[in-house]
Amino acid sequence: GENVEQHPSTLSVQEGDSAVIKCTYSDSASNYFPWYKQELGKRPQLIIDIRSNVGEKKDQRIAVTLNKTAKHFSLHITETQPEDSAVYFCADAGGTSYGKLTFGQGTILTVHP
Amino acid sequence: DGGITQSPKYLFRKEGQNVTLSCEQNLNHDAMYWYRQDPGQGLRLIYYSQIVNDFQKGDIAEGYSVSREKKESFPLTVTSAQKNPTAFYLCASSITGGKNEQFFGPGTRLTVL
Repeated sequence: GENVEQHPSTLSVQEGDSAVIKCTYSDSASNYFPWYKQELGKRPQLIIDIRSNVGEKKDQRIAVTLNKTAKHFSLHITETQPEDSAVYFCADAGGTSYGKLTFGQGTILTVHP
Repeated sequence: DGGITQSPKYLFRKEGQNVTLSCEQNLNHDAMYWYRQDPGQGLRLIYYSQIVNDFQKGDIAEGYSVSREKKESFPLTVTSAQKNPTAFYLCASSITGGKNEQFFGPGTRLTVL
């Protein structure tokens, strides 16, 4: 089945710095890549997603880049704030038409004031 | 916030017992999903349903069963055949079974005593 590797598992930054989380996937037909944020004790929520027909997507301080040749995609958070502290999960929907997601292992991001 | 709800929040089970976790949504979504979350392993798909009266196994379906008799309900039964059921269980829904945002419930933490 599909495999998604996410790195790093933990990331600690100072407020105002940038944070980058990377994921690699195995199915070359994959075409939908969402990112979810899960704050402590809360449910995961979608923060941004990208489809394979674009190489980059931005939403304020968050951006996602996709390299289909290398089969990896990355989440970039600029000007980090303490409220960005959470667990971030990347996911891959594979090459079928279904919304069946395979998630990465998660990255615990800590932003120090 | 309503939308998708799960009950109970905490559930304790003795070994050998079956238990059923409830998931209800009032978003009029066609698709529903069950995930299991363990520390350091991200979310893993147990079962998913693209439409009423239809469901498919996910990556870790052994020891679990589901039903989808109503659009708004997708209960998960953890059977005694599940060897390591202690985990956090998350239900999600999306507008269709395609590649769309999945909305998560608050989760049920199951502990086997």
